[in-house]
Amino acid sequence: DQQVKQNSPSLSVQEGRISILNCDYTNSMFDYFLWYKKYPAEGPTFLISISSIKDKNEDGRFTVFLNKSAKHLSLHIVPSQPGDSAVYFCAARSARQLTFGSGTQLTVLP
Amino acid sequence: EAGVVQSPRYKIIEKKQPVAFWCNPISGHNTLYWYRQNLGQGPELLIRYENEEAVDDSQLPKDRFSAERLKGVDSTLKIQPAELGDSAVYLCASSKRQGTEAFFGQGTRLTVV
Repeated sequence: DQQVKQNSPSLSVQEGRISILNCDYTNSMFDYFLWYKKYPAEGPTFLISISSIKDKNEDGRFTVFLNKSAKHLSLHIVPSQPGDSAVYFCAARSARQLTFGSGTQLTVLP
Repeated sequence: EAGVVQSPRYKIIEKKQPVAFWCNPISGHNTLYWYRQNLGQGPELLIRYENEEAVDDSQLPKDRFSAERLKGVDSTLKIQPAELGDSAVYLCASSKRQGTEAFFGQGTRLTVV
């Protein structure tokens, strides 16, 4: 029973264009949502988060949108850069426990 | 500020052998997590500590896995005996008591042959 789902295993985007990574969840008790980025042979690195009481959070090139009614969140990267190529994990928090999605491999083509 | 430190980075062992992983969290972080990540999947929680107390170990296979966090700082995760299916990356993470994000170490890649 996957409470956090990332249905796209991979995504390729041209440099300079927008990357949109999606995540769906089922548990209404999640109070925080986070995005992590992971390079090969490294641990996940925190990228950006959003509280369940908000619908948007922006940090430089990264924006996370939350649609609570649809139980859906997305990460927008604009403009995409080759260095953004990595695996992106969506995570949701409940009772201080993080539940992760299976990840989306983003490849930004130069 | 130093990040979460894990050792070893890689470990290859034969099945039925014991193995141990070590984690040093970020200074001042009360909460420590051990996660397991299988290939192509996201990290899955094994155990969470608040200081030296294990407050969530429902996903820890207690017949072969054990963990401890002495003095509420460093932590070790042990598997005895290891099975082929234990091959994975074991990640340690820590966070502040009131923090939202967890900070991860580089992980230990375990291969059981």
